[in-house]
Amino acid sequence: AQSVAQPEDQVNVAEGNPLTVKCTYSVSGNPYLFWYVQYPNRGLQFLLKYITGDNLVKGSYGFEAEFNKSQTSFHLKKPSALVSDSALYFCAVRDPPNTGGFKTIFGAGTRLFVKA
Amino acid sequence: DAGVIQSPRHEVTEMGQEVTLRCKPISGHDYLFWYRQTMMRGLELLIYFNNNVPIDDSGMPEDRFSAKMPNASFSTLKIQPSEPRDSAVYFCASSLTQAGRTDTQYFGPGTRLTVL
Repeated sequence: AQSVAQPEDQVNVAEGNPLTVKCTYSVSGNPYLFWYVQYPNRGLQFLLKYITGDNLVKGSYGFEAEFNKSQTSFHLKKPSALVSDSALYFCAVRDPPNTGGFKTIFGAGTRLFVKA
Repeated sequence: DAGVIQSPRHEVTEMGQEVTLRCKPISGHDYLFWYRQTMMRGLELLIYFNNNVPIDDSGMPEDRFSAKMPNASFSTLKIQPSEPRDSAVYFCASSLTQAGRTDTQYFGPGTRLTVL
């Protein structure tokens, strides 16, 4: 069964500095990987996804993520953090299509604090 | 498009009462998901539908929980009878199958349920 782990409950970074939010996964077959962001009192919003192709995926709001098959990681990155990036970030993995299911498993979430 | 619509946004009820949460997915989407989010357990998938048919309800915690999707534009999640441990934020999400793949999920704003 697929699983996803976010090893950090919280990440603190100063505005203007680069940020990284870590994610590792376990899945049979080719992974479908996602990052979502949740702002206070809001639903999750899609940021980016990796299905196939380039290992570096670019998404919304200047975020990008690097798929590393050998390390089974999909870390979220941004070159220069903004205070408005402060939110809860979820990594997710989806059933490969050949399994017949469409269940998406979400990580526990990492809270990002960006200080001005 | 208005996005995924959920109602009510907040619900406070007493233990033993029936609670019905409602969701209107994005028009044209063929998958609908119900999630529950708590501090202790994070984001849990409860059930999902494809073309109004329940596909996987293994996440439904107990028989007190039931979900229906009578048509493509409406779904309900019912808890009867409700208990304090059901207090959580319940999210509905929908997605569209394209080129044989169902990828990005679009989340509603959630219903914050408090059972006293």
